[in-house]
Amino acid sequence: DAGVTQSPTHLIKTRGQQVTLRCSPKSGHDTVSWYQQALGQGPQFIFQYYEEEERQRGNFPDRFSGHQFPNYSSELNVNALLLGDSALYLCASSHPGGTQYFGPGTRLTVL
Amino acid sequence: AQSVTQPDIHITVSEGASLELRCNYSYGATPYLFWYVQSPGQGLQLLLKYFSGDTLVQGIKGFEAEFKRSQSSFNLRKPSVHWSDAAEYFCAVALMNYGGSQGNLIFGKGTKLSVKP
Repeated sequence: DAGVTQSPTHLIKTRGQQVTLRCSPKSGHDTVSWYQQALGQGPQFIFQYYEEEERQRGNFPDRFSGHQFPNYSSELNVNALLLGDSALYLCASSHPGGTQYFGPGTRLTVL
Repeated sequence: AQSVTQPDIHITVSEGASLELRCNYSYGATPYLFWYVQSPGQGLQLLLKYFSGDTLVQGIKGFEAEFKRSQSSFNLRKPSVHWSDAAEYFCAVALMNYGGSQGNLIFGKGTKLSVKP
C-alpha cells in the first residue's frame, strides 16, 4: 500500500519564477492538504482540497494556488516566487475529517 | 486564537534514559491532539493521537502521551530512549470543522531530540 508521494524531491528556482509541486494521496484517501515548513519552524497550513474544490485556506497570499484532479492527486502552484518561499512543502492526505498522513515533502530553494 | 507551545527547543538525553517532551495548547473546546516525528530531510510520521476517552494514549515505537485538560497539556513520554529516536518532534492540534470532524492542523515549533550514547 503506497503512502503519500510527492514530486519533485528538490527544486531550485529564482525570484519571480513560478513553481508547481505535485502530490499523490495514500490509497483510499480523497482529501489533500498542503503545508509549508520553513527552516526551524513547524508546518503551517496552506489549504485543503476535497472533491476538486478548495475547502479551507490558511493565511497565505493568492500567489499560492492549488488544484485537485479527479483521481484525488493535487498540485500546489506558487507564482512570483520570493526568497521567503524557500521551505519544505508537505502534502498530507486523509479521508474527510480524518487523520492526516504526510508525504516526504518537496524542498524548494528560491535564489 | 488557537496555538500550540512546545517550550523546549532542544533536549539531549542519554540512551536508555526516560524522555518527556512538553506540549501545551490553547483551544476553546476539547481538541484533537497529535504527536508527529520528523527525521532530518523527511516528512512527518504520526506517533499517536488523542480524540476522546482514555487520557493516556499509546503510540508506535514505545511512545505514549497523556492528555491533561486542567493543564491544557499533551506531553509525550518514552521510558527508555534509543539512539534511533533522535529526531524532531511536533505536537499538533486539529481545528474542528462544523459537524465535529477534524480540520487543518496547527503545529508547535518542534522539539529537537538528541541522544547521547
